[in-house]
Amino acid sequence: QSALTQPASVSGSPGQSITISCTGSSSDIGGYEYVSWFQQHPGKAPKLMIYDVTNRPSGISNRFSASKSGNTASLTISGLQAEDEADYYCSSYTTSGTVVFGGGTKLTVL
Amino acid sequence: QVQLVESGGGVVQPGGSLRLSCAASGFTFSNYGMQWVRQAPGKGLEWVTVIWYDGSKKYYADSVKGRFTISRDNSQNTLYLEMNSLRTEDTAVYYCARGSPRDDWSPTWFDPWGQGTLVSVSS
Repeated sequence: QSALTQPASVSGSPGQSITISCTGSSSDIGGYEYVSWFQQHPGKAPKLMIYDVTNRPSGISNRFSASKSGNTASLTISGLQAEDEADYYCSSYTTSGTVVFGGGTKLTVL
Repeated sequence: QVQLVESGGGVVQPGGSLRLSCAASGFTFSNYGMQWVRQAPGKGLEWVTVIWYDGSKKYYADSVKGRFTISRDNSQNTLYLEMNSLRTEDTAVYYCARGSPRDDWSPTWFDPWGQGTLVSVSS
């Protein structure tokens, strides 16, 4: 159950778009349409932003979008805002019936 | 509103045991899978375990298999995590999270999350 690979940090200016990648294998991301993304502000519990690769839960801004190609999933945030500054985690279902998270990406809004 | 409240965390010596609870309210608990996820201080999220809505299936991360046991009491709307043979590397904030509903399975649906309870394993 190796963790999915995410960049340690990304940054962007207000109004810009950024993309966070999440790379796994055919045993997780590549094998299923079950990838989620979570946002976590310091000292807070994580919040679901995307589920089943591309779906947004009710109440999540359409500035957040996601996709998957092969063994890599991606989260895109458009129109960056100061409140988007947080840690972001991807997760995927695996062939063993378990779930694996990525190492997390710290987003800095410049 | 949907609410999850964890309790039972604390300081325990290596080799010791602890039982975490997660009290659920605001939704039909027996219709949802439930998950535990932990986060070591300053580190990322680590999935721990999941239990089906009726308790019929349970899965564990390799790091806790054989030491941790997930269970639920649908009559009390409560989720549990029994932790035995604790190690220093089990030190973390433990979150419970609601999983997907029984009729719309989505294994990476974690929403919402509780506020977490801190488990510290130290001599």
